[in-house]
Amino acid sequence: AQSVTQLGSHVSVSEGALVLLRCNYSSSVPPYLFWYVQYPNQGLQLLLKYTSAATLVKGINGFEAEFKKSETSFHLTKPSAHMSDAAEYFCAVSEAAQGAQKLVFGQGTRLTINP
Amino acid sequence: EPEVTQTPSHQVTQMGQEVILRCVPISNHLYFYWYRQILGQKVEFLVSFYNNEISEKSEIFDDQFSVERPDGSNFTLKIRSTKLEDSAMYFCASSFLGQPTTQYFGPGTRLLVL
Repeated sequence: AQSVTQLGSHVSVSEGALVLLRCNYSSSVPPYLFWYVQYPNQGLQLLLKYTSAATLVKGINGFEAEFKKSETSFHLTKPSAHMSDAAEYFCAVSEAAQGAQKLVFGQGTRLTINP
Repeated sequence: EPEVTQTPSHQVTQMGQEVILRCVPISNHLYFYWYRQILGQKVEFLVSFYNNEISEKSEIFDDQFSVERPDGSNFTLKIRSTKLEDSAMYFCASSFLGQPTTQYFGPGTRLLVL
């Protein structure tokens, strides 16, 4: 069965500093991996996804993530944090290539940006 | 930009009452989903729906739950007899036939069962 572990339920960084949010997954087949962001009182917005093409995936708002099969990881990074990045971030995995997709989510990481 | 909408944004109900949560997926999407998030816990998959039938459902999605696409635009989740533990944020999502891996989520309905 698929599962996702996000290390750190809360991460706090200074504005302009590197953002690193960790995600490890477990999957019995080559996975599809996703990062979603949730701003207060809003739904989940897709940041980026890995679907077996390039291992370094670029997303919106300057975020990127690297798929490392050997480490079963898909960590999210951004070189320079902005105040507007404060939100909750969810890593998710899916095993389906076709048809309806069941996403399995991690616990989420709340990112706080300090001025 | 098209988006998934959900109504109501908040609902308070008494235990044992029926509730219907409504979603309007993006118009050309054909896969539909419900997820829920109990406060402080993970977002959990409930059910997926395609071609007017359930594609997959989780263990959570028992006989108290049902989904329906009553017309060409709405997608509903019904909880027949609510329990205290059904209190959660419920998210609807949809995806396009040609790009099923990208799910678009609605803003959620916060359900409180008293």
